[in-house]
Amino acid sequence: GQQVMQIPQYQHVQEGEDFTTYCNSSTTLSNIQWYKQRPGGHPVFLIQLVKSGEVKKQKRLTFQFGEAKKNSSLHITATQTTDVGTYFCAGTGSNYKLTFGKGTLLTVNP
Amino acid sequence: DAGITQSPRYKITETGRQVTLMCHQTWSHSYMFWYRQDLGHGLRLIYYSAAADITDKGEVPDGYVVSRSKTENFPLTLESATRSQTSVYFCASSGGVRTEAFFGQGTRLTVV
Repeated sequence: GQQVMQIPQYQHVQEGEDFTTYCNSSTTLSNIQWYKQRPGGHPVFLIQLVKSGEVKKQKRLTFQFGEAKKNSSLHITATQTTDVGTYFCAGTGSNYKLTFGKGTLLTVNP
Repeated sequence: DAGITQSPRYKITETGRQVTLMCHQTWSHSYMFWYRQDLGHGLRLIYYSAAADITDKGEVPDGYVVSRSKTENFPLTLESATRSQTSVYFCASSGGVRTEAFFGQGTRLTVV
């Protein structure tokens, strides 16, 4: 079945450093979504990528979708303490099943 | 109130008891999902639904039952709760296959 792997599981950075999390799927995805979950909160949608090779930016966040539509990455430039949380990727395969990766917990030292 | 709501927010139950977690959304979204979140496992899909009376098993369906008689409601029942089902449960809904999912606040369930 469809599996979505995400690395690293944890990442601790100093404020101002960059951060990247990677997502890989065992099958081709029709789309990839990214979510952020603050400590104690619920996942909140950040962005969706649907096209092969697509790149999208949201201020300091850059999202990429691989050419084969099986991998994706989220890069944060110059992290801030407000970036703390768990970042999840999620993919939809051949059906409407939305499968999440295990997430990357980002902590930022001020 | 508009949105997606889960109830209860917190629940303590005993092993062997039946417990139902409620999920209600006001957007008339077709798709609804139940996930459980455990440390080190991320969000694991329990059941999902494309419309009323259409449900499918996710990754970890054993021990759980769902129903969807109305579009806006998607209750999750633990027929005989076990300690391994202690978790945080999230319900989510989306309007389409490739549209964003909206999550409820979660239900923290403890089975003792």
